[in-house]
Amino acid sequence: EAGVAQSPRYKIIEKRQSVAFWCNPISGHATLYWYQQILGQGPKLLIQFQNNGVVDDSQLPKDRFSAERLKGVDSTLKIQPAKLEDSAVYLCASSLRRGREDPYNEQFFGPGTRLTVL
Amino acid sequence: AQKITQTQPGMFVQEKEAVTLDCTYDTSDQSYGLFWYKQPSSGEMIFLIYQGSYDEQNATEGRYSLNFQKARKSANLVISASQLGDSAMYFCAMREVIKAAGNKLTFGGGTRVLVKP
Repeated sequence: EAGVAQSPRYKIIEKRQSVAFWCNPISGHATLYWYQQILGQGPKLLIQFQNNGVVDDSQLPKDRFSAERLKGVDSTLKIQPAKLEDSAVYLCASSLRRGREDPYNEQFFGPGTRLTVL
Repeated sequence: AQKITQTQPGMFVQEKEAVTLDCTYDTSDQSYGLFWYKQPSSGEMIFLIYQGSYDEQNATEGRYSLNFQKARKSANLVISASQLGDSAMYFCAMREVIKAAGNKLTFGGGTRVLVKP
């Protein structure tokens, strides 16, 4: 079974430029997550999709970050314009929703995209 | 709001010895779950072990075991017989159910483990 795919793996941009990241979740996984992991910290959830609908985007800086999952499969995360503090690894994860009472619902993570903003 | 605390920023452990990584949490939920993930230098997050709040027995997965003390709100990870490949960052995370759509994970700050030969 193929894992979560992300591209690009690395990206270097200058501040005020735009950047986009792509994620392809594990086939059949209904839930998709984007996390931001700043160096030396644990991942922080930015946005969660259930199929193509947003479930939680409370920690997404909506003035500059946007994300979409148009057909309920692939997803893109965009930053426009980028700031120095956006330098981080952006992790995509997916999980197979097995019902409300399933407490396990393990998340599978992709390799991440390392963004450096100069 | 949920909070996860990992107080050990870094640890050395001798190969073949056991190591305990601390994790304390704070939540008002009655039903919750705790995960441990490993993050090698390559960057991917690897699931290690899970403990549900209603599970009576401590979880074990191979060389990994979880010392769950609900009254103390701690969920420490024990790695037995450490191997050089265990050198990595380790994250404790707590699950919160979001609108029946899956888990929302809140992560701790992580502990870096370096296994010495």
